[in-house]
Amino acid sequence: TQLLEQSPQFLSIQEGENLTVYCNSSSVFSSLQWYRQEPGEGPVLLVTVVTGGEVKKLKRLTFQFGDARKDSSLHITAAQPGDTGLYLCAGELSGYSTLTFGKGTMLLVSP
Amino acid sequence: DTGVSQNPRHKITKRGQNVTFRCDPISEHNRLYWYRQTLGQGPEFLTYFQNEAQLEKSRLLSDRFSAERPKGSFSTLEIQRTEQGDSAMYLCAGRTGSNSGANVLTFGAGSRLTVL
Repeated sequence: TQLLEQSPQFLSIQEGENLTVYCNSSSVFSSLQWYRQEPGEGPVLLVTVVTGGEVKKLKRLTFQFGDARKDSSLHITAAQPGDTGLYLCAGELSGYSTLTFGKGTMLLVSP
Repeated sequence: DTGVSQNPRHKITKRGQNVTFRCDPISEHNRLYWYRQTLGQGPEFLTYFQNEAQLEKSRLLSDRFSAERPKGSFSTLEIQRTEQGDSAMYLCAGRTGSNSGANVLTFGAGSRLTVL
C-alpha cells in the first residue's frame, strides 16, 4: 500500500491552461514537501508546508496543506512548457527521520 | 548544480558483477540519504547516515547492498552480484542543519544503473 497517493499519474495539457495535482494519505504528516524532477536529474525542492491549512505561493504555483495535515494540492496557473516534469510529493511522519515519496504526477505542457 | 555530486552518472554492467556508486554531499550535510527510483515510481528510501553512523536501513536493502560513510563526508553504495531487478536510478541526498525542523533534502543528479 502506497503511503502517499498522487493523482493524476499523468497530465498532458496545452500552454496557458490551469491544473491541479493532488497528494493524499490516511496518515498525518509533520511536514509535506513538493519536488519537481526533470529526466535524468534528481528531484528539486519546490516548497515545504508544515501547518495544517497552510497556503504557499511560488510565482504561478500555489501549494496547500490540508487542515488535518493528511493531504496537499499543487495548483499551477497558466502552465508553460518549462513546467514540464515529474511532480513528487513527500511526507515526513512525526518521529521519523526519512521522507516518503508518492509515485509522482508526470506533467507535459505543450506549446 | 545542487552541490551534491554523484559518480558515475551511468553504469552498465552484466548480471553478477559488483558495482559501487559514490556520493559527495556538501560539507554542511550532516545527514546523507540513499534512495532508489525505478521508472514510473517515486524515490524509495534505502538508508541514511547521521555523520558516519548508519542509523536506518530499509527492507529494500538486501544483504547484497552495503553503504558506508567512513569519515562522515562522502558515501559509497555497493551492490554485489547485481541482478536485473537492481536496474534503477540511485539517488543520494543531503540534509543540513539541526535535527529539528522539516526534513528538507538536497538531491544529487543520480547514478543510473542498467544490469544486462
